[in-house]
Amino acid sequence: GAVVSQHPSRVICKSGTSVKIECRSLDFQATTMFWYRQFPKKSLMLMATSNEGSKATYEQGVEKDKFLINHASLTLSTLTVTSAHPEDSSFYICSARPVPPGQGRQGGRTYEQYFGPGTRLTVT
Amino acid sequence: AQSVTQPDIHITVSEGASLELRCNYSYGATPYLFWYVQSPGQGLQLLLKYFSGDTLVQGIKGFEAEFKRSQSSFNLRKPSVHWSDAAEYFCAVGAATFGYSSASKIIFGSGTRLSIRP
Repeated sequence: GAVVSQHPSRVICKSGTSVKIECRSLDFQATTMFWYRQFPKKSLMLMATSNEGSKATYEQGVEKDKFLINHASLTLSTLTVTSAHPEDSSFYICSARPVPPGQGRQGGRTYEQYFGPGTRLTVT
Repeated sequence: AQSVTQPDIHITVSEGASLELRCNYSYGATPYLFWYVQSPGQGLQLLLKYFSGDTLVQGIKGFEAEFKRSQSSFNLRKPSVHWSDAAEYFCAVGAATFGYSSASKIIFGSGTRLSIRP
């Protein structure tokens, strides 16, 4: 259980175009999803926290107009990299937090996150 | 502010030898601590976690970690490594934030790359 998928796994796009990455929780509902960016041989940098039905919360220094996040349902969040540039090339990883049982959609303060396999974006 | 330090960037051990990966955290209250493993080009897999209770935590793949409050440490150990353990290991701490749905985020250390010598 607790499987998170990402699509696509790899994408190559031309500079100036936009690309959408999907993150799905396959066997659980997630009110909260997280988007991370990982540079080569570096740690994961949290970009934003996505809550179903509301606006995403972006970390300091992350351009919200460039990295558009939509969390339209309890099982799907999307990250759109707009007007991509070569410096946006990176490994993007999402994670999803299950709704704790018995606590409803507001959830509690839990930390369980299940990670997707990542998406390698290359902008040429 | 919460932070995690993994002082070793790269460690090489011989197959069959014991392993200890270091992790130190900074957090004002009782931390929620995690160890994740990442194989090349892959996502993260949770090895183990500490929320409360017994300070020695058992995880998957034969890993364990010990929470030591006095040292602000959460070191990962394995008595005998296998070649398949070669990967990147991340220590992480749960950082509480307040707001809609009380979402809480995880802050990752910089990672330790483990290589296995045949």
